[in-house]
Amino acid sequence: DSGVTQTPKHLITATGQRVTLRCSPRSGDLSVYWYQQSLDQGLQFLIQYYNGEERAKGNILERFSAQQFPDLHSELNLSSLELGDSALYFCASRAGRGSGNTIYFGEGSWLTVV
Amino acid sequence: AQSVTQLDSHVSVSEGTPVLLRCNYSSSYSPSLFWYVQHPNKGLQLLLKYTSAATLVKGINGFEAEFKKSETSFHLTKPSAHMSDAAEYFCVVSDRRGSARQLTFGSGTQLTVLP
Repeated sequence: DSGVTQTPKHLITATGQRVTLRCSPRSGDLSVYWYQQSLDQGLQFLIQYYNGEERAKGNILERFSAQQFPDLHSELNLSSLELGDSALYFCASRAGRGSGNTIYFGEGSWLTVV
Repeated sequence: AQSVTQLDSHVSVSEGTPVLLRCNYSSSYSPSLFWYVQHPNKGLQLLLKYTSAATLVKGINGFEAEFKKSETSFHLTKPSAHMSDAAEYFCVVSDRRGSARQLTFGSGTQLTVLP
């Protein structure tokens, strides 16, 4: 158990809909990362937050957004869903500066868009 | 810019024989390097990490990796494969860009263990 919790584990929704994926980082970890893993594109970095602020942005679509709340949990919002958004979405967390660079991943949220 | 190349997309070994999964990286700075394993329908689990201490790193489940700066490599090895090692393995490099620490993943190596 990595200590990173993601919900829901599985989600099936229709095209055009909106979903929210939730991530609780390890206790005390300040950084949260979101990744998308699909069969054709592998692991893609989406976005990183550090202590509530956006720190880095990767290949995140404009239809997607995220935030990190004061209690450090994070949500990834996916809207106007398309079939191609079907993927496994991972959240990962890392402790703050000086606490090591190890990043721990959650089990992922499987999103199927039909 | 940093990059990671996993030289083999698929590796097959027989149970009880050695495993070698190859990884080369490039990084502008002194990187941290990791190997993660992903079993089917599971999340990514950390196997081991290198963060500028000992160049030979021991991880879980009998895996090891050696950081070779001159060769920019971080190959993963295990002396004797077990059926439960069948999974996908990702080599990851982490370094700092500005204020953010960025991860770059290799494309993964699928390990098959034959009975």
